[in-house]
Amino acid sequence: DQQVKQNSPSLSVQEGRISILNCDYTNSMFDYFLWYKKYPAEGPTFLISISSIKDKNEDGRFTVFLNKSAKHLSLHIVPSQPGDSAVYFCAAKGSNYKLTFGKGTLLTVNP
Amino acid sequence: KAGVTQTPRYLIKTRGQQVTLSCSPISGHRSVSWYQQTPGQGLQFLFEYFSETQRNKGNFPGRFSGRQFSNSRSEMNVSTLELGDSALYLCASSRGSIGDTQYFGPGTRLTVL
Repeated sequence: DQQVKQNSPSLSVQEGRISILNCDYTNSMFDYFLWYKKYPAEGPTFLISISSIKDKNEDGRFTVFLNKSAKHLSLHIVPSQPGDSAVYFCAAKGSNYKLTFGKGTLLTVNP
Repeated sequence: KAGVTQTPRYLIKTRGQQVTLSCSPISGHRSVSWYQQTPGQGLQFLFEYFSETQRNKGNFPGRFSGRQFSNSRSEMNVSTLELGDSALYLCASSRGSIGDTQYFGPGTRLTVL
């Protein structure tokens, strides 16, 4: 039973355009959400997070939106750059400290 | 501040052997979590240690165990290795409160032949 789902295995965008990565969750006990970026043979790098009491958090080119009623969050990257090409993981946390991850979306930003 | 370090980075073992992986957290972090990443299952939570105590556990068999030392360094042990244990093993550290971000190390790539 996959509690965090990233339904798009891959996404391709042009440099300078917006990248939108989506994530859905089923467990209503999740109250903290994170996005990580991962390059091959490296560990995930933390990007941005959002608490369930907010609906938006922004950090530079990265913005995360949370829609609690729809159990949906999205990561917007504007403008996209070739260096953003990586696998992006959505993760969620409840009261038990562990992170539950989606299976990732491979983002390719074309020059 | 130094990041999370994991040793060794690469490991090759044969079926039936056992293996120990090591993780040194960021200075000041008291929580260490371990994850297994495989192509089919993605990133899956193994267990979390806080102040030398296992605070949380995932759905892995008892062959997977861990411990944490007083300096917060952690080790993970896998006994009686199976081919399916081939994976990237990642550890992550945090201060240990619910809202704290987990920061990951580079991982140990384990190959079981």
